[in-house]
Amino acid sequence: NAGVTQTPKFQVLKTGQSMTLQCAQDMNHNSMYWYRQDPGMGLRLIYYSASEGTTDKGEVPNGYNVSRLNKREFSLRLESAAPSQTSVYFCASSGGRRNTEAFFGQGTRLTVV
Amino acid sequence: DQQVKQNSPSLSVQEGRISILNCDYTNSMFDYFLWYKKYPAEGPTFLISISSIKDKNEDGRFTVFLNKSAKHLSLHIVPSQPGDSAVYFCAATPVFNTNAGKSTFGDGTTLTVKP
Repeated sequence: NAGVTQTPKFQVLKTGQSMTLQCAQDMNHNSMYWYRQDPGMGLRLIYYSASEGTTDKGEVPNGYNVSRLNKREFSLRLESAAPSQTSVYFCASSGGRRNTEAFFGQGTRLTVV
Repeated sequence: DQQVKQNSPSLSVQEGRISILNCDYTNSMFDYFLWYKKYPAEGPTFLISISSIKDKNEDGRFTVFLNKSAKHLSLHIVPSQPGDSAVYFCAATPVFNTNAGKSTFGDGTTLTVKP
């Protein structure tokens, strides 16, 4: 049982490059989320998807786009990376009988130079 | 304005003693609170939660206390073990939101348990 799987684990981008972070969950959860964590700070919500086919902005959506490809997969795209987007990105999901906790992936450490 | 605050960035305790991690919130609409634990290079994992209708929830060595009037919650770990050394995040969810993942997080407290 893999839970929430994120790829890649590490990535270095040059300013202006684009990339997509992939996330998949195998728990049949309806809701999925993308967070970023900066040093010494908590997790801040970028985008979330309450169910397949819907997405909504979180606290810090600027510079990002998302796609809820199907119930399992939720991707995060950086169209033109900036150094301010250097961070650790976490995908999470919640749902099922107990929609009372989130399950997180291992994170993607992104550096934009 | 930070709605969930963990004012102690770090805490160091001796193995076997009690660890107390604190969290304050400002939004009266928060009614469900969670603690997550995070090891380096891993994602956060759920530890324990409490609903606003309770003032205490216990799970083994972990107990969370909620004081609604003071908008304060605390996590007690008794006895503390070296494997408890991690970053602990407090998170809060408002009454109208049933998506537990759409929480507001504090900045975390790094707990170090010394053998």
